[in-house]
Amino acid sequence: RKEVEQDPGPFNVPEGATVAFNCTYSNSASQSFFWYRQDCRKEPKLLMSVYSSGNEDGRFTAQLNRASQYISLLIRDSKLSDSATYLCVVRSSNTGKLIFGQGTTLQVKP
Amino acid sequence: DTAVSQTPKYLVTQMGNDKSIKCEQNLGHDTMYWYKQDSKKFLKIMFSYNNKELIINETVPNRFSPKSPDKAHLNLHINSLELGDSAVYFCASSNGGGTNEKLFFGSGTQLSVL
Repeated sequence: RKEVEQDPGPFNVPEGATVAFNCTYSNSASQSFFWYRQDCRKEPKLLMSVYSSGNEDGRFTAQLNRASQYISLLIRDSKLSDSATYLCVVRSSNTGKLIFGQGTTLQVKP
Repeated sequence: DTAVSQTPKYLVTQMGNDKSIKCEQNLGHDTMYWYKQDSKKFLKIMFSYNNKELIINETVPNRFSPKSPDKAHLNLHINSLELGDSAVYFCASSNGGGTNEKLFFGSGTQLSVL
């Protein structure tokens, strides 16, 4: 089992839709969680950290469920510019390394 | 100013050649990384340096040798290139660990081995 798993998609949604991605992680002792965004042929960039109590940044909401070992990203009112690959990232408590998921691709259509 | 810059952006070379990729960060970070992103888009860590000291060395063939002359630079030298080395290589630097850690990536080097 991979340490961090995501559904690669693609998720095709119309503008204005609400879309949610999940990511599961295998190490229950993992401490830090993040969502990164990667545009086609570009480098990944931090979208948001994920806090235990959940957190929101504009149209983006991140949640952490430690019992079920998953994190989620909710995007409301999707824009064309949200089209990208969203990477789930978990810090391994054993090694301190940041482990990246494969990414979930989102395509927002007009 | 570009925070993390790596060169070259594209590298096309023949099998068996030796090549280098350079990386520099002007953010004052102590920690730098090399990641490899394969055709399936998985980003895997290769090396991590903290203040010029190697702290993470994944199971990477010893044909790959990182060099950090100072904490602002982390170069990657690859000997005897193989077809399977074709990938995008990203350099990154970090502002430290914890929940607020943020990785800053370079724009990537697309390596194609023919």
